[in-house]
Amino acid sequence: SQTIHQWPATLVQPVGSPLSLECTVEGTSNPNLYWYRQAAGRGLQLLFYSVGIGQISSEVPQNLSASRPQDRQFILSSKKLLLSDSGFYLCAWSQRGGGQPQHFGDGTRLSIL
Amino acid sequence: GNSVTQMEGPVTLSEEAFLTINCTYTATGYPSLFWYVQYPGEGLQLLLKATKADDKGSNKGFEATYRKETTSFHLEKGSVQVSDSAVYFCALPNSGYSTLTFGKGTMLLVSP
Repeated sequence: SQTIHQWPATLVQPVGSPLSLECTVEGTSNPNLYWYRQAAGRGLQLLFYSVGIGQISSEVPQNLSASRPQDRQFILSSKKLLLSDSGFYLCAWSQRGGGQPQHFGDGTRLSIL
Repeated sequence: GNSVTQMEGPVTLSEEAFLTINCTYTATGYPSLFWYVQYPGEGLQLLLKATKADDKGSNKGFEATYRKETTSFHLEKGSVQVSDSAVYFCALPNSGYSTLTFGKGTMLLVSP
C-alpha cells in the first residue's frame, strides 16, 4: 500500500530564516505531487504541483519554491521566511491520469516568530 | 474552470441527528467527485468518491450521490457521532485534470 511521509510535524522559525519541508511517497511510482497551505480558518491554497522529476508548476507567486529531486520526493523551500508564511502545510500525491483523488500527509504546522 | 460551492458552517448537531452538507459544482463534462474529511490538527482524508452520474459513494456511514441534473453531491449521514466533528471538503478535478478544486470546507460540530 502507498504511504506519504511529511516532516517535521511542527516547526518554529524566526522571520528571515530559511525553510525546508520534505515529503516522500512510498509504494507507488511516477506520482503527481502537491504542496498546499492552509491558513487559520480552513481553506486550502495550492502552492505547487509536479507531474515529474524537475517539473514544477507554481500556482501562487511568493517567496516559496519547490523542487522534486527524485521521483517520490517533494521539497518546499524558502530563503527568507515572512510572518505571512505561518500556516499548516500539506503535501499530497495522486496517481497519474485524469481525475484521480489526492492523498494527504499529516501536515507541518509552521509558526514564524 | 471547474468550481465547487459548499454550504457555510459551522453545522452544529446533537449526537444521533441526521446530517446533510450541501455541495454543488460547475464542471466541463462529468468529472469524478470527492468528499474529504479533516480532523483537528490532521491532514485531509478521502472520505468517499463517485466517478459517474448516479453513482453513490459511501464510507463510515456517510453517503453522497452524484446528481447530474442538479449538479450536486450532498454529503449525508443518518446518525452522527461526536467523533464525526471535523471539517468536510467537497472537491472535483480542475478542467485540466492535473489538480483538484476544493470547496472552502464546512465545519461540523457534534455535541453529546
